[in-house]
Amino acid sequence: GQQVMQIPQYQHVQEGEDFTTYCNSSTTLSNIQWYKQRPGGHPVFLIQLVKSGEVKKQKRLTFQFGEAKKNSSLHITATQTTDVGTYFCAADQTGANNLFFGTGTRLTVIP
Amino acid sequence: DVKVTQSSRYLVKRTGEKVFLECVQDMDHENMFWYRQDPGLGLRLIYFSYDVKMKEKGDIPEGYSVSREKKERFSLILESASTNQTSMYLCASSPADRELYEQYFGPGTRLTVT
Repeated sequence: GQQVMQIPQYQHVQEGEDFTTYCNSSTTLSNIQWYKQRPGGHPVFLIQLVKSGEVKKQKRLTFQFGEAKKNSSLHITATQTTDVGTYFCAADQTGANNLFFGTGTRLTVIP
Repeated sequence: DVKVTQSSRYLVKRTGEKVFLECVQDMDHENMFWYRQDPGLGLRLIYFSYDVKMKEKGDIPEGYSVSREKKERFSLILESASTNQTSMYLCASSPADRELYEQYFGPGTRLTVT
């Protein structure tokens, strides 16, 4: 079945440091989505990447989709305490509206 | 705003009981999903549905069944609850848009089976 590996599983950073989480697949993906789940909350959609090599930015967040459409990353510049949560990538291999979620990266920001 | 609601935030059931988890969405979405979330395992898809009365197995359907009699409602059924089904259950919905189909999640139901 479809596998999406996400690393690291946990990340602790000092406030103001940068943070990156990576998502890797052994197969070519149709597109990839990123979600954020705050502690005690539910996943909330952040962005969708579709094109090979695509880069999208949302304020301090930068999302990239690899040239081969097999990997993706989320980079946060100068983390803030509001960035705390678990970040999930979710991959669509077949274009069938059915997502396979990575295991998530849990970010802790130390003030 | 899209709203996905789940019938309970917390539920405690005994082993062997039949359990119903209800999910309702108010945005006329075609697609609905049931996931369970466990520490270190992320979100795992149990069942999904593309339309009324349609259902498809996800990655971990064993021990579960679903029902979608109306477009806005998707129910997850644990026929005979077991302790290994203790988990957070998340329902989601998405439109059938072929370009963008972000999933909207409900608040989750934390089920404990004793």
